[in-house]
Amino acid sequence: TQLLEQSPQFLSIQEGENLTVYCNSSSVFSSLQWYRQEPGEGPVLLVTVVTGGEVKKLKRLTFQFGDARKDSSLHITAAQTGDTGLYLCAVRMTTDSWGKLQFGAGTQVVVTP
Amino acid sequence: KAGVTQTPRYLIKTRGQQVTLSCSPISGHRSVSWYQQTPGQGLQFLFEYFSETQRNKGNFPGRFSGRQFSNSRSEMNVSTLELGDSALYLCASSPGTSGGADTGELFFGEGSRLTVL
Repeated sequence: TQLLEQSPQFLSIQEGENLTVYCNSSSVFSSLQWYRQEPGEGPVLLVTVVTGGEVKKLKRLTFQFGDARKDSSLHITAAQTGDTGLYLCAVRMTTDSWGKLQFGAGTQVVVTP
Repeated sequence: KAGVTQTPRYLIKTRGQQVTLSCSPISGHRSVSWYQQTPGQGLQFLFEYFSETQRNKGNFPGRFSGRQFSNSRSEMNVSTLELGDSALYLCASSPGTSGGADTGELFFGEGSRLTVL
C-alpha cells in the first residue's frame, strides 16, 4: 500500500477545461509538496503546504492542504498545453534527512489543443 | 546559477555489468540525494549524502552504492546489473540543513536513463 495515494492516475483534457488531482493518505504530515515533471526533465517544485486548511495559488493552479493534514488537492483552471506533465505529491518522512522524500505514484496530465 | 548536472544522460549496459553515474549539485548545496524512477514503482529514494557522509538509505540491495566528494559532487554505482535496474536515475540537491537557507525544496537534475539488456 502506497503511503500517498494519487488519483486519478491519468487525465486527458482539452485546453480551457478545469481539472483536479488528489493526494490522499491515512497519515498526518507536517507539510506536503507538489512537484511537476515534464518529459525528459526532473521534477520541479510547485508548492509546499504546511498549515491544515491552507490554500495557495500559483497563477491558474490552486493547492489545498486538508484540515487534518492528511490530504491535498491541486486544481488547475483553464488548462493550457504547458500544464502537461506528471504531477507528484511528496512528503518528508524524517527531519534528519532533508533529501529523503516519499512520493506518490503521480497523476499524468495531458492537455490537448 | 547552474542547476544540477547529471552525466551521462543515457547509457545502455548488459546484465552483469556495472555502472557509475555522476551528479554535480547546485553550488553551495551540501546534500545530494538519489532516486530511481520506473513506470511500475514511481520515484523511490535510494540514498542521501551530506558532507561526504551517507545520511539515509532506501530499501535497495547492496548492489546500489554511492559516495560524495569534498566538493559535494556525488556518484552512484550499481554492480551486477539486472534487467530490473533499467530506470531513470535522478539526483537532487538541497542546502541540506534546517533553517533559513533550506526551504525543503529538492532541485532535481534531468536524470540518467539506464537501459539494461
